[in-house]
Amino acid sequence: EVQLVESGGGLVTPGGSLRLSCAASGFSFNLFDMHWVRQAPGKGLEWVSSISRTSTYIYYADSVRGRFTISRDNAENSLSLQMNSLRAEDTALYYCVRDGRTVSVAGGNWFDPWGQGTLVTVSS
Amino acid sequence: DIQMTQSPSTLSASVGDRVTITCRASQSISSWLAWYQQKPGKAPKLLIYDGVILESGVPSRFSGSRFGTEFTLTISSLQPDDFASYYCHQYNSEPWTFGQGTRVEIK
Repeated sequence: EVQLVESGGGLVTPGGSLRLSCAASGFSFNLFDMHWVRQAPGKGLEWVSSISRTSTYIYYADSVRGRFTISRDNAENSLSLQMNSLRAEDTALYYCVRDGRTVSVAGGNWFDPWGQGTLVTVSS
Repeated sequence: DIQMTQSPSTLSASVGDRVTITCRASQSISSWLAWYQQKPGKAPKLLIYDGVILESGVPSRFSGSRFGTEFTLTISSLQPDDFASYYCHQYNSEPWTFGQGTRVEIK
C-alpha cells in the first residue's frame, strides 16, 4: 500500500523557520517526482513546490521562491520542505503528494496519492 | 501562468441529480487536466486524469470531458457520498495550477 506520512508542522512566529518531512513507503520512491501542495484553512489547493526523481529539476511557486527549499533523499525514501522567513499567509495544511506516473508526456502529471497533511500555523 | 477558472463555486443538488462542474483554462492545456474530490478533513482523492480517464476504483457515474480549453466533470446521478468539494488541476505546464473549487451541497 502506498503511504505518504508528513510530519514537522506546528506553530511558529512570523519570520521563523520550520522543516517538513514526508516518509514514503509502498512504492519505488526514486522513480517518481514529488510535490508539496498546501491548503489554507477554508481555502482551495495551492501548489508549492516540485522535485524530479533525481533532484535535477526543482520548481517553486512565486509565493514561496527564495524562502522555501525542497529536497529529497532517495536512499531514505523521504521528501523535505525547509521553510524560512515564514509569513502569516503561509498558514496552511501542507500535503506531500506523489506524481501520478513515472513518465511525463505533458509538462507534468496528475497528483496521486496525497498524504494526510501536516498543519503549519504562522502567528505571533 | 495558466489560470483555471472553475464554476460554480457552490452547487446545491439533490440525490439523483445530474451535476456538472466546469473548468476553463486560460490557454491550451491539451488534455492535461485532473479532477479531485475532497471531503472535510480529508486529503484530495483523484477522480479523473488526462481529462477523461476515470481512475481505477472510481464509480462510473463520474465522467470527464473536454471541448477546447473547457473541461467538465459530470456526476450522472448524485449519491450521498458525493457531497464534497471538487477541484480541477492543470499539469500542462509549470506552475501547476488548480481551479478555485466547487462545493457540492445537499439541496
